[in-house]
Amino acid sequence: KAGVTQTPRYLIKTRGQQVTLSCSPISGHRSVSWYQQTPGQGLQFLFEYFSETQRNKGNFPGRFSGRQFSNSRSEMNVSTLELGDSALYLCASSLTSGSNEQFFGPGTRLTVL
Amino acid sequence: AQSVTQLGSHVSVSEGALVLLRCNYSSSVPPYLFWYVQYPNQGLQLLLKYTSAATLVKGINGFEAEFKKSETSFHLTKPSAHMSDAAEYFCAVIRSGGSYIPTFGRGTSLIVHP
Repeated sequence: KAGVTQTPRYLIKTRGQQVTLSCSPISGHRSVSWYQQTPGQGLQFLFEYFSETQRNKGNFPGRFSGRQFSNSRSEMNVSTLELGDSALYLCASSLTSGSNEQFFGPGTRLTVL
Repeated sequence: AQSVTQLGSHVSVSEGALVLLRCNYSSSVPPYLFWYVQYPNQGLQLLLKYTSAATLVKGINGFEAEFKKSETSFHLTKPSAHMSDAAEYFCAVIRSGGSYIPTFGRGTSLIVHP
């Protein structure tokens, strides 16, 4: 069974631009969560989607948004990029919302110049 | 609220030596506890998890961890380190009965010397 895939793996943007990251969960998994990983703040939860609905949301500004499609694939969007948004963005999938086991993708490394 | 503290941002051991990575948690209700490993430029891989069954949990790659409620600890051990164990290790806690959003520790970088 294929694992969680994330595209693109690397991305370079400039301040003020917007970016969209994509995540395809493991086949059959319906929950997708997004995390931001930085050296300064560590791993922080962004949001979780299940059945195309946002189920949980972390403490991030509204510039960070996401959505989930009927095939469970998810996208995350960051608008008006700031230098501090440079991070590794990780996607994790699980069978259902509230599952205590998540499977992580390799991440998308976003660099904001 | 729940939190996780990993003691030591870096741990250095010799190949063949015991690995001990420390994790202490706080949770107002019985927790679920996890250890993940992250290799460079990769995502997190689950090593093992505690979900209120046996307190000694065995994971992949020879790692194990023991849940000690009295000490609020969930330390990760491996009897003999291998060069391939060099990576970043994260402890995480989920509050049972809550939103199932994990809180991660800041991570411990394991360095293995030949």
